[in-house]
Amino acid sequence: GAVVSQHPSRVICKSGTSVKIECRSLDFQATTMFWYRQFPKQSLMLMATSNEGSKATYEQGVEKDKFLINHASLTLSTLTVTSAHPEDSSFYICSARVEGAADTQYFGPGTRLTVL
Amino acid sequence: KQEVTQIPAALSVPEGENLVLNCSFTDSAIYNLQWFRQDPGKGLTSLLLIQSSQREQTSGRLNASLDKSSGRSTLYIAASQPGDSATYLCAVRPHTGFQKLVFGTGTRLLVSP
Repeated sequence: GAVVSQHPSRVICKSGTSVKIECRSLDFQATTMFWYRQFPKQSLMLMATSNEGSKATYEQGVEKDKFLINHASLTLSTLTVTSAHPEDSSFYICSARVEGAADTQYFGPGTRLTVL
Repeated sequence: KQEVTQIPAALSVPEGENLVLNCSFTDSAIYNLQWFRQDPGKGLTSLLLIQSSQREQTSGRLNASLDKSSGRSTLYIAASQPGDSATYLCAVRPHTGFQKLVFGTGTRLLVSP
């Protein structure tokens, strides 16, 4: 099946720094990728929909200047958490839609972000 | 606004038992419903996808049913094994919205040997 990778798998940073998380579709092209956030023992919350070559669509309540999304190619989307604070500590998961298979999303393994 | 709830929040059973996980959603106008498995600190693995026109889907020891009119889905796991221990999430794709998924709160399952 299709594989989605995320890098890094785990990152610890100081408050005020920026962190970039990569999401790659390894063996397929993805015009659409999705970014989710998951707090401990809670479900996934969609943050934004990333479209290749265009601006991301953010969900209500998600600060677009805080969470910068770039989808520059058909296999890579990046999420940058700018000026991270401890409350941004969370598990970030991306998914990619398989082109031509509208119902199928493949999820990455997630990135654990800890902001000190 | 679509809300998805899963009951129970946690479940602990001995190996070999058959079990049922429940998922309910507030808006019956859905495109499809999926069940996922998530292992601790890991991403999601899709288990079953049920289209809105379907009543159930089966894969091995797993069977998922959908009653769209009542806003309910169940995931039935037969002859549970310790390897089934994980968090199970259901997610609905609203009728509108491009591929957005609304996730439930999850059921943490522990199957003891």
